[in-house]
Amino acid sequence: GENVEQHPSTLSVQEGDSAVIKCTYSDSASNYFPWYKQELGKGPQLIIDIRSNVGEKKDQRIAVTLNKTAKHFSLHITETQPEDSAVYFCAARYNFNKFYFGSGTKLNVKP
Amino acid sequence: KAGVTQTPRYLIKTRGQQVTLSCSPISGHRSVSWYQQTPGQGLQFLFEYFSETQRNKGNFPGRFSGRQFSNSRSEMNVSTLELGDSALYLCASSLGGGTGDHEQYFGPGTRLTVT
Repeated sequence: GENVEQHPSTLSVQEGDSAVIKCTYSDSASNYFPWYKQELGKGPQLIIDIRSNVGEKKDQRIAVTLNKTAKHFSLHITETQPEDSAVYFCAARYNFNKFYFGSGTKLNVKP
Repeated sequence: KAGVTQTPRYLIKTRGQQVTLSCSPISGHRSVSWYQQTPGQGLQFLFEYFSETQRNKGNFPGRFSGRQFSNSRSEMNVSTLELGDSALYLCASSLGGGTGDHEQYFGPGTRLTVT
């Protein structure tokens, strides 16, 4: 089965700085990689995703990059704001809608 | 469009009892997946249902089961509850049909506490 590793487990940045979270996956058959943001007491919210035929995708302050050869993908958040503070999860899709999730990164943006 | 809804939101059960959780997907979504979230194990895949059939299964014991109805609503059942089953149970829905229909949207979860 798939194994997804996520780093770092915690990340503290100053408001306005950039934050980068990295994930690696093991199964080369995985072809879809979403990122989720989870706030306290809520379910994960899909914030951006990337498919294996694309190297980079951007949506305003959020971008995701994918390196299929190295089997890793990263989330980049620029100009961080206090409301970006949350736990972020990466995931890899394996076989229809079976997803494996990373262990999560707790992002703290200090005002 | 309404999001994924889960009921109940909170539940307290005693060891040995059984529990049924419900999930209503986004209108038009035919795939429903269930996950268990705990501080120690993170988000773990339980199973996925598509058009009333279980399409994928995670590595959980047979005490965990589910089903999907013709309107795509889904239920999961846990029998003979153990203390370790205390967790947030999340449901996610997606279109689930073709090769590009993978975007999953999560509900708020059901917080199950087993005492």
